[in-house]
Amino acid sequence: EAGVTQFPSHSVIEKGQTVTLRCDPISGHDNLYWYRRVMGKEIKFLLHFVKESKQDESGMPNNRFLAERTGGTYSTLKVQPAELEDSGVYFCASSPRLDSYEQYFGPGTRLTVT
Amino acid sequence: AQTVTQSQPEMSVQEAETVTLSCTYDTSESNYYLFWYKQPPSRQMILVIRQEAYKQQNATENRFSVNFQKAAKSFSLKISDSQLGDTAMYFCAFMKADSNYQLIWGAGTKLIIKP
Repeated sequence: EAGVTQFPSHSVIEKGQTVTLRCDPISGHDNLYWYRRVMGKEIKFLLHFVKESKQDESGMPNNRFLAERTGGTYSTLKVQPAELEDSGVYFCASSPRLDSYEQYFGPGTRLTVT
Repeated sequence: AQTVTQSQPEMSVQEAETVTLSCTYDTSESNYYLFWYKQPPSRQMILVIRQEAYKQQNATENRFSVNFQKAAKSFSLKISDSQLGDTAMYFCAFMKADSNYQLIWGAGTKLIIKP
């Protein structure tokens, strides 16, 4: 069984540019989570999809971030326009059911905004 | 709001030694889960061990065990007979039960196992 995959593994962009991160969850997992770790700080929750619906987006920092999960399969997280403080590692995780307490993580995308 | 604190940014021990990583948390919830996740260098985050708050017995997974002190809100991880492959970032995390299932994380402890 393939694990959670994320693309790209690393992205370097200039301030003001747009970047789109992609997450492919484990097949059949309805729940998809995005988290972010800014350098040296705690990992923070961004949002949670159940299938294609946003269950909780309370952690999204501002309206420069847009997440989608069309068709309930893969998800994208777009940052537009990127700011320096957006630099960090973006993790995606998936779980099979809403009451699943174990989340399976992807390798993360390291975003560097210069 | 819940918070998770890991007070040890970095630790190092010799191979085969036992090491304990600290984690404390703050919550007013009575039903929750606690986790230790491990992220080896350049690799994915994986679950090491979990503890349900309603269980008094400490969870154990092979060389990994926890000391769960609910009243003290403490959840330490003990690694016995440490191996080089245990070198990783270790994160303590909290999840409120029957809720949105988001994880709340500590800042992490970098553990280095020396040969």
